[in-house]
Amino acid sequence: SQQGEEDPQALSIQEGENATMNCSYKTSINNLQWYRQNSGRGLVHLILIRSNEREKHSGRLRVTLDTSKKSSSLLITASRAADTASYFCATAKPGGGADGLTFGKGTHLIIQP
Amino acid sequence: NAGVTQTPKFRVLKTGQSMTLLCAQDMNHEYMYWYRQDPGMGLRLIHYSVGEGTTAKGEVPDGYNVSRLKKQNFLLGLESAAPSQTSVYFCASSTTIQAGYTFGSGTRLTVV
Repeated sequence: SQQGEEDPQALSIQEGENATMNCSYKTSINNLQWYRQNSGRGLVHLILIRSNEREKHSGRLRVTLDTSKKSSSLLITASRAADTASYFCATAKPGGGADGLTFGKGTHLIIQP
Repeated sequence: NAGVTQTPKFRVLKTGQSMTLLCAQDMNHEYMYWYRQDPGMGLRLIHYSVGEGTTAKGEVPDGYNVSRLKKQNFLLGLESAAPSQTSVYFCASSTTIQAGYTFGSGTRLTVV
């Protein structure tokens, strides 16, 4: 069963604009992670935010986490054509439990030149 | 800097045939995972391993077996392939079960 659900399922914006995608989850987490997947490739880890953190930055990426609403957002600023990809959120259970990460279904982002 | 290597990259099987997918990592990671990715379904965990000689079932383990005889290798076996196992298979590894994962580039399997 999916833990994270990304929204929107698809997003198309102009190059240079900011892209925001959201992730909602259902149960308590230890951390939440975002991954990028280019067409036909494996997933690449972008950023990890722990349950006691509210915001984290990495280059043009900004991730927020609201544990009271069980939601996270990923902001990509000044988008580039190379940012075209699918983006997945993944949650890790608390307590170091088994089962690994649970992934959402992804947001497909298209950057129009 | 190989990271996680999956072989083969593509494979077509006939229903009932068997095959083994190999995953190798050179980062000395304890944890390894096999996921399948299907359109509209996201990634679903098949099996995982928390160390050499250990394996455990994930969300969709039926029809698959795994082995981790060496720390760097995690094998996924299909004993009798079915069309429902047509999918893209990804292997991943991590230092801890809650850390970021390093993924391989995937194996695209078609069962006809």
